[in-house]
Amino acid sequence: AQSVAQPEDQVNVAEGNPLTVKCTYSVSGNPYLFWYVQYPNRGLQFLLKYITGDNLVKGSYGFEAEFNKSQTSFHLKKPSALVSDSALYFCAVRFSYNTDKLIFGTGTRLQVFP
Amino acid sequence: SAVISQKPSRDICQRGTSLTIQCQVDSQVTMMFWYRQQPGQSLTLIATANQGSEATYESGFVIDKFPISRPNLTFSTLTVSNMSPEDSSIYLCSVSREPGGHEQYFGPGTRLTVT
Repeated sequence: AQSVAQPEDQVNVAEGNPLTVKCTYSVSGNPYLFWYVQYPNRGLQFLLKYITGDNLVKGSYGFEAEFNKSQTSFHLKKPSALVSDSALYFCAVRFSYNTDKLIFGTGTRLQVFP
Repeated sequence: SAVISQKPSRDICQRGTSLTIQCQVDSQVTMMFWYRQQPGQSLTLIATANQGSEATYESGFVIDKFPISRPNLTFSTLTVSNMSPEDSSIYLCSVSREPGGHEQYFGPGTRLTVT
């Protein structure tokens, strides 16, 4: 079965600096990987996905993620952080090749300081 | 994307009672799911809501506790039955327009507190 790990409970970054939120995965077969963001008292919003193709995936709000097969990672990045990016970020992986179920990581809280 | 609404947005319920949560989508979708997010934790899939047939439940979740209906391609309900304080969570529905591992879109969630 697939699994996904987010090794950092919290990431702190100053506004204007680049940010990285880490995600590693364990899959059999080709991974389908996703990033979601959750703002306080709101549902999850889809940011981006990797299914196939270019390893660098661009998504909403200026976020991008790099798929690295050799390191089994799918880190979320943004060149210049905004205070408004402060939220809870979840990495997710499709459970198996023949299902649409998603397995979510434990989440990383991003705090951007002015 | 899809516009998804959930009712109620929050509720406080007494132990032993049941609550039905509604999920409405603005267009027809193939896949609908129900998740639970316990306080400070990640999301756990409860079940896949199948249109016209019984829901498919994940390990640890049973139909008697979490009955689900899906009468058409835009609407589903989740009932939390015989509630206990351990059921206090955020319950979210999500949809995917088609099968095949595409992204899911989430409703705003229902925050349930059981006293």
